[in-house]
Amino acid sequence: QVQLQESGPGLVKPSQTLSLTCTVSGGSISSGSYYWNWIRQPAGKGLEWIGRIYTSGSTNYNPSLKSRVTISADTSKNQFSLKLTSVTAADTAVYYCAREDCTGSTCSPGDYWGQGTLVTVSS
Amino acid sequence: QTVVTQEPSLTVSPGGTVTLTCASSTGAVTSGYYPNWFQQKPGQAPRALIYSTTNKYSWTPARFSGSLLGGKAALTLSGVQPEDEAEYYCLVYYGGAQVFGGGTKLTVL
Repeated sequence: QVQLQESGPGLVKPSQTLSLTCTVSGGSISSGSYYWNWIRQPAGKGLEWIGRIYTSGSTNYNPSLKSRVTISADTSKNQFSLKLTSVTAADTAVYYCAREDCTGSTCSPGDYWGQGTLVTVSS
Repeated sequence: QTVVTQEPSLTVSPGGTVTLTCASSTGAVTSGYYPNWFQQKPGQAPRALIYSTTNKYSWTPARFSGSLLGGKAALTLSGVQPEDEAEYYCLVYYGGAQVFGGGTKLTVL
């Protein structure tokens, strides 16, 4: 059973960099045909796709966040990470990591999710 | 910037049928946009229901079905149960990027 767990600071100051890690258990992030995604949700609002990294290391980002986002992977720790620079209060949200399975003829996104972690941007 | 639009809210009676839709600002949603559907209940992570327009996960109840309807992606719930009250989100692929709809709050009343 695949499990994902987000971790990182719950409070980040404005203009600083938000850094989160997603630890994956029950499967390797470097094998198979999977994308590893980051998604966020401000309180009381909808979901926003941030970006993803493939098992090969290639990445895709939300165009509206692309200039501030970096997603990377540490295969030795079976983790992937999110860095979001120059944060403002608008980046306050619950951040989720999720797996996207592309082993079939199409992809099935979000078959496994982390529980989410709240990050607040405030001084 | 691409916008995906869903009904903000819908109400359905227990045992009834309801269809939620998902429209794209770029034009008709087709199978090539691989639309997906998620259910989210308060305080929980989203749960995937439908992928690539019509495909169900092993955990997706049979009463949920996905389709294309009038240029939109659609999620139909037949024989609605009280536990189906939730927020529903569609997700559409635009090449390498993905966009969520704004969500539909489904009330079972």
